[in-house]
Amino acid sequence: AQSVTQLGSHVSVSEGALVLLRCNYSSSVPPYLFWYVQYPNQGLQLLLKYTTGATLVKGINGFEAEFKKSETSFHLTKPSAHMSDAAEYFCAVSDLTQGGSEKLVFGKGTKLTVNP
Amino acid sequence: GAVVSQHPSRVICKSGTSVKIECRSLDFQATTMFWYRQFPKKSLMLMATSNEGSKATYEQGVEKDKFLINHASLTLSTLTVTSAHPEDSSFYICSARRDSGNTIYFGEGSWLTVV
Repeated sequence: AQSVTQLGSHVSVSEGALVLLRCNYSSSVPPYLFWYVQYPNQGLQLLLKYTTGATLVKGINGFEAEFKKSETSFHLTKPSAHMSDAAEYFCAVSDLTQGGSEKLVFGKGTKLTVNP
Repeated sequence: GAVVSQHPSRVICKSGTSVKIECRSLDFQATTMFWYRQFPKKSLMLMATSNEGSKATYEQGVEKDKFLINHASLTLSTLTVTSAHPEDSSFYICSARRDSGNTIYFGEGSWLTVV
């Protein structure tokens, strides 16, 4: 089964600083990888996803992630943090359900705090 | 854009009662929907895959008789927590896979508190 590890349950950056949220995965097949953002008391919003093709994926709100097969990583970055980026971020990999259909397996999440 | 709506967003019920949560895809058809449970400061755990017109497929360890799932149409799946206990209190999130394009969209979640 696929799994996701997010290093660091909490990351704190200053406004304007680089954001780096780490995600490593394990997968027995070429993975589909996702980053989601969750604001307090809300559902999840897709930031970006990698399926095939270009390994550097650009998403919404200035975020991007790079798929590195050799490192089994899919780290999320943003050059300059904004206060509105404060949220919980989840990395996910696609897997199969008990019934054989596709599902998402989530990491434990990283809470991003942006300091003024 | 595609929208998935959950209702209610918050519900409080008494122990022993049942509560139903709805998940609707507002502007697309979804043969497949998913129900997740999120514990405080924890990740999302897939409970079951809801399939329109057929029985839901439950993940290992999830009680199918306690968490009843009905996917009666291409735009609606319901999760019923039966004989609720305080330990069922949690944040429940649904997602729907758009039939055309295969993208998954998440609902806003439903807070269940069992008192």
